[in-house]
Amino acid sequence: DAKTTQPNSMESNEEEPVHLPCNHSTISGTDYIHWYRQLPSQGPEYVIHGLTSNVNNRMASLAIAEDRKSSTLILHRATLRDAAVYYCILRDVKNFGNEKLTFGTGTRLTIIP
Amino acid sequence: GAGVSQSPSNKVTEKGKDVELRCDPISGHTALYWYRQSLGQGLEFLIYFQGNSAPDKSGLPSDRFSAERTGGSVSTLTIQRTQQEDSAVYLCASSLGFTSVGETQYFGPGTRLLVL
Repeated sequence: DAKTTQPNSMESNEEEPVHLPCNHSTISGTDYIHWYRQLPSQGPEYVIHGLTSNVNNRMASLAIAEDRKSSTLILHRATLRDAAVYYCILRDVKNFGNEKLTFGTGTRLTIIP
Repeated sequence: GAGVSQSPSNKVTEKGKDVELRCDPISGHTALYWYRQSLGQGLEFLIYFQGNSAPDKSGLPSDRFSAERTGGSVSTLTIQRTQQEDSAVYLCASSLGFTSVGETQYFGPGTRLLVL
């Protein structure tokens, strides 16, 4: 599976935007980019995913570089409840039917009140 | 609606004992996954069930670990002769099944296992 690289940790002030980067230089044309996050003492939860175009949903936005070798998860206005570990995960459409998630170390986001 | 539930939420056992961990997936979800997260570590895939197909056991760390899924719904993860290195949070997830690559996995709260 193609690998992703994320910073180990980031800090952001409350109510400010947060940009969480992810590098995936070996991404293949059939890889989707998924983001999950894990709040303290909880199981992971889905955040957003995309293939080529930028995506928006109620939780966040996903900006994908034109060459797809990197992406950025954007939290438009961070709250204390957004403090979590954020995982960037590639999922290959060729593995349709074998959909296990391969988690890296993720980025631990700390929100400063 | 109800999410993925797991029981027990916490389990303390002695080294060498067997333990069973239970997962109730979201109703109608045909795919079920087990992961574990050791202290300070990332999430590690263990096993995957899809409908009536043979499970993908490629992530099970040893033959002391086994899992079954009865009636396509509830799943039990069994660890025999537990070792201290088995201490971890065991997470279960479910998803709809063969629909799309973008399919979301819904995780339960996990079972925290401590082997003394």
